[in-house]
Amino acid sequence: GAGVSQSPRYKVAKRGQDVALRCDPISGHVSLFWYQQALGQGPEFLTYFQNEAQLDKSGLPSDRFFAERPEGSVSTLKIQRTQQEDSAVYLCASSLAGTSGGVQETQYFGPGTRLLVL
Amino acid sequence: AQKVTQAQTEISVVEKEDVTLDCVYETRDTTYYLFWYKQPPSGELVFLIRRNSFDEQNEISGRYSWNFQKSTSSFNFTITASQVVDSAVYFCALSDISGNTPLVFGKGTRLSVIA
Repeated sequence: GAGVSQSPRYKVAKRGQDVALRCDPISGHVSLFWYQQALGQGPEFLTYFQNEAQLDKSGLPSDRFFAERPEGSVSTLKIQRTQQEDSAVYLCASSLAGTSGGVQETQYFGPGTRLLVL
Repeated sequence: AQKVTQAQTEISVVEKEDVTLDCVYETRDTTYYLFWYKQPPSGELVFLIRRNSFDEQNEISGRYSWNFQKSTSSFNFTITASQVVDSAVYFCALSDISGNTPLVFGKGTRLSVIA
């Protein structure tokens, strides 16, 4: 079946521009995560959705970052007034389960969007 | 706080050699999950294994094997008879067990397998 897809794969933005990054999770997956991966580093958590509810946004680096998942499937990560330090790969992951209860479902990742802010 | 350390930044081996990638983790939780992911040049993180802290049995899958030692907080990954296609960045990750929670990743180990 289809995996997690992300678009665009590459985005070049001028400093100060707004960008929107899209994530299509695996069909039926309840949970959706966004991570930011700087060059040469491991992914770092940004935010988490269970269906349409944003349950954790503790990793968003500033109020310029905003994420939504209005219908509980596709998610968009928006970055306003981009800065050079926003340059990174933005990874989306989805997992099957949505409820807590002692089970950490495996997260499946998309190919990422590589953002370069000039 | 949770932390994952992958001390090896880069490793180069010649094809058919065995190679072990180290992972050491820190957590205050008594139960938790550990993961390994592979990131080829295409950029997508490919899931390799999930292990919960209850199960300390080592696991083998083809040329891949994992050695989990709770006493030393390590979850090492060995590739036997390495191949050029194994060249990638490998990440170890940790999560708590309370439900769907974010993964905490190490910085990764870049493995280059030379023909």
